[in-house]
Amino acid sequence: EVQLVESGGGLVQPGGSLRLSCAASGFTFSSYSMNWVRQAPGKGPEWVSYISSSSSMIDYTDSVKGRFTISRDNAKNSLYLQMNSLRVEDTAVYYCARGARELSKWGQGTLVSVSS
Amino acid sequence: DIQMTQSPSSVSASVGDRLTITCRASQDISNWLAWYQQKPGMAPKLLIYAASSLQSGVPSRFSGSGSGTDFTLTISSLQPEDFATYYCQQANSFPRTFGQGTKVEIK
Repeated sequence: EVQLVESGGGLVQPGGSLRLSCAASGFTFSSYSMNWVRQAPGKGPEWVSYISSSSSMIDYTDSVKGRFTISRDNAKNSLYLQMNSLRVEDTAVYYCARGARELSKWGQGTLVSVSS
Repeated sequence: DIQMTQSPSSVSASVGDRLTITCRASQDISNWLAWYQQKPGMAPKLLIYAASSLQSGVPSRFSGSGSGTDFTLTISSLQPEDFATYYCQQANSFPRTFGQGTKVEIK
């Protein structure tokens, strides 16, 4: 069974940092592109970042460029999102999602709350 | 960025109804369009990809159509488990963008 399990969320003050992780199982992780998608309370999903299977292609939404870094470790079947200089508006549930175009599998999400 | 506009934003419908949701892209996205269903407290679930391809395991009452800028998601006969929020997403270019959602409620 395909599983994606996020961790690392929590409460952080504005300007702080968090590192999210996504553990993948049930499929050949190294063959798939991955994404981070977030959803603020009561809002629709917002795509955050993409990384290709070999990490050769990476992209971000403009609002996180220069603050967030996506990475992966194919040997550990894991995806990461390093989030620095966090802002109140980054508060959301963060999902990892598999796919190069459509997002065919999603994790259950991890909540990131940015507040003083 | 490509803007995705869904209509309606919400709809009340009855079990057994045929329902159509539309999604319009601000520029040509060919057939790079996906549809998702989301229930409260859950992650979105992929229903349709490449505008009209049914994701494995999704009931055949769901169908998608369209190309270019105009797309539709149709549920042929609403079932109780279909009351949820539906989102379209363009997969043509980065940044990937989603529609604002269509909430399907019980009449």
